[in-house]
Amino acid sequence: QQPVQSPQAVILREGEDAVINCSSSKALYSVHWYRQKHGEAPVFLMILLKGGEQKGHEKISASFNEKKQQSSLYLTASQLSYSGTYFCGTEYDFGNEKLTFGTGTRLTIIP
Amino acid sequence: DAGVIQSPRHEVTEMGQEVTLRCKPISGHNSLFWYRQTMMRGLELLIYFNNNVPIDDSGMPEDRFSAKMPNASFSTLKIQPSEPRDSAVYFCASSSLAGVGNEQFFGPGTRLTVL
Repeated sequence: QQPVQSPQAVILREGEDAVINCSSSKALYSVHWYRQKHGEAPVFLMILLKGGEQKGHEKISASFNEKKQQSSLYLTASQLSYSGTYFCGTEYDFGNEKLTFGTGTRLTIIP
Repeated sequence: DAGVIQSPRHEVTEMGQEVTLRCKPISGHNSLFWYRQTMMRGLELLIYFNNNVPIDDSGMPEDRFSAKMPNASFSTLKIQPSEPRDSAVYFCASSSLAGVGNEQFFGPGTRLTVL
């Protein structure tokens, strides 16, 4: 089952904040976040693991609510370079590296 | 490091032809993933290998698709015969299973158009 992301699209002005949500119907082992710019490959942003460990870029923050099977990505003081489509990818089992990607959230930052 | 290398970058072929996509993972990575991305279905995993062994191929759409990884530095995804609905961007990604929750590094993708 594909995780569901919300919102589907958002437009922000530079400097504004955004929250992107990812919700799963199954229990999660980890959540990965990637950003994809048009015509390019997805690029890793962050991993959140069951138990609270996080790996990722310092300027990106995210949360993982294991009980609710949800994750949120927080983008603060957005910059033009943040534009792109954000995907969450979910791992359901420890040791199984299969990622099921969400529906995507298109973020547009305008000056 | 050169990153994940894919070839060709673009492929246009006619329905019924065989298509072979190639991938060279990052040196030292021992997991390799093939994804397909379309507007309708998004980014979906087709198959992944660990230490050259296929681990999960549940995303391979049908028998027309096959993937191999003969060694740690090379993998192929073959479609035979190709159909217009196979038109998509195919990404290869690799990761290093050093710990848990592993970042995947994506290649630039192959844009496949089947006429």
